[in-house]
Amino acid sequence: NAGVTQTPKFRILKIGQSMTLQCTQDMNHNYMYWYRQDPGMGLKLIYYSVGAGITDKGEVPNGYNVSRSTTEDFPLRLELAAPSQTSVYFCASSYAPWSETQYFGPGTRLLVL
Amino acid sequence: KNEVEQSPQNLTAQEGEFITINCSYSVGISALHWLQQHPGGGIVSLFMLSSGKKKHGRLIATINIQEKHSSLHITASHPRDSAVYICAVIRVPYNTDKLIFGTGTRLQVFP
Repeated sequence: NAGVTQTPKFRILKIGQSMTLQCTQDMNHNYMYWYRQDPGMGLKLIYYSVGAGITDKGEVPNGYNVSRSTTEDFPLRLELAAPSQTSVYFCASSYAPWSETQYFGPGTRLLVL
Repeated sequence: KNEVEQSPQNLTAQEGEFITINCSYSVGISALHWLQQHPGGGIVSLFMLSSGKKKHGRLIATINIQEKHSSLHITASHPRDSAVYICAVIRVPYNTDKLIFGTGTRLQVFP
């Protein structure tokens, strides 16, 4: 099993550009999450999904959108990138929510200039 | 004040030493996670616990719900244990910040 995969590994965006961060898991997990990690700060939840077609906001959803059309995929869309979105983004999945082991992807480093 | 505080922020040790990393929290929780972030950035879940103690190899995690405190211990530390260790709590009642993360403890173990 590949576990949780993320693409791209690194990307530079100009202010105002858009992009989609891809996340795929092959563990048949219903629950998937997107986090951002800023230097010196704890991870923060952006969005999460409890199954195909169902998503909900986390702590810091502004400037992002998600969709979940399949169990495997949970892409994160950045519209109108801003320097404040410079961060490392992690996707994770789990069999059950919150009180269950989460499996993390390798992360995507995003720089907005 | 952060709702999840870890101490120390940075820790250096000699190979073989016994290491303790602390996590204190100020909110009601249902459970607590310990995570390890490798120097390359990858994150691995080590433990999830809601009471008592768990052991996996040289790692031991304890939690005291009444005192709102958890500790992660590493016995016979090794350079490959060098990483950032992150504590995260599952807040109840749930809000948008369901999982609250500490800022991590950076551990370096020297041969």
